[in-house]
Amino acid sequence: LAKTTQPISMDSYEGQEVNITCSHNNIATNDYITWYQQFPSQGPRFIIQGYKTKVTNEVASLFIPADRKSSTLSLPRVSLSDTAVYYCLVGDMYRSGDSGGGADGLTFGKGTHLIIQP
Amino acid sequence: GAVVSQHPSRVICKSGTSVKIECRSLDFQATTMFWYRQFPKQSLMLMATSNEGSKATYEQGVEKDKFLINHASLTLSTLTVTSAHPEDSSFYICSARDLQGLAGGLNEQFFGPGTRLTVL
Repeated sequence: LAKTTQPISMDSYEGQEVNITCSHNNIATNDYITWYQQFPSQGPRFIIQGYKTKVTNEVASLFIPADRKSSTLSLPRVSLSDTAVYYCLVGDMYRSGDSGGGADGLTFGKGTHLIIQP
Repeated sequence: GAVVSQHPSRVICKSGTSVKIECRSLDFQATTMFWYRQFPKQSLMLMATSNEGSKATYEQGVEKDKFLINHASLTLSTLTVTSAHPEDSSFYICSARDLQGLAGGLNEQFFGPGTRLTVL
């Protein structure tokens, strides 16, 4: 799996747009980019996934440049409840693992601790 | 959306005892489930891949005789921490993948709420 680099932490204020950038210089052709959110003492929650250009859903947008060596998670109008750790993962989500019947487990980097202030 | 549950959510045990943690996919079938461990202020670390009807695949450095995994059905995987010691105290999280794409996006992993294990 391609290694990812994210800022360790970020601060912002309620109502602002927050952009978290992830670097993945060694991304492979079959790799997708996926972002997860984790609150303290909870399991991660899927936010968004993309391959190229732009993907948008009801909670976030994901911008991926043409070279795919980085990606930016955009959270519009954040609130206090968006304070969490955000993980960027890159990998071939469709590759079969050693089990022969399923895909691989995920490799999490250190993530970005986003703190939203009033 | 797809739901993965874990039981118990929190457990405290004495050193030397064994603890079993259950992971269930509630509304979809999962031939493969994954077990992760997360220490305070650290990221999730994949421990093992649980395969329905076959042996689990362990990551390097994870003792298979200490962390017993049983994936008895398409909706249940269990992790047993045998002879637990204080250094095994951690947050254990399972995930399941809906390979048929019937729940959520294809190949999206759904995580359980985690189990906080404290070994005294």
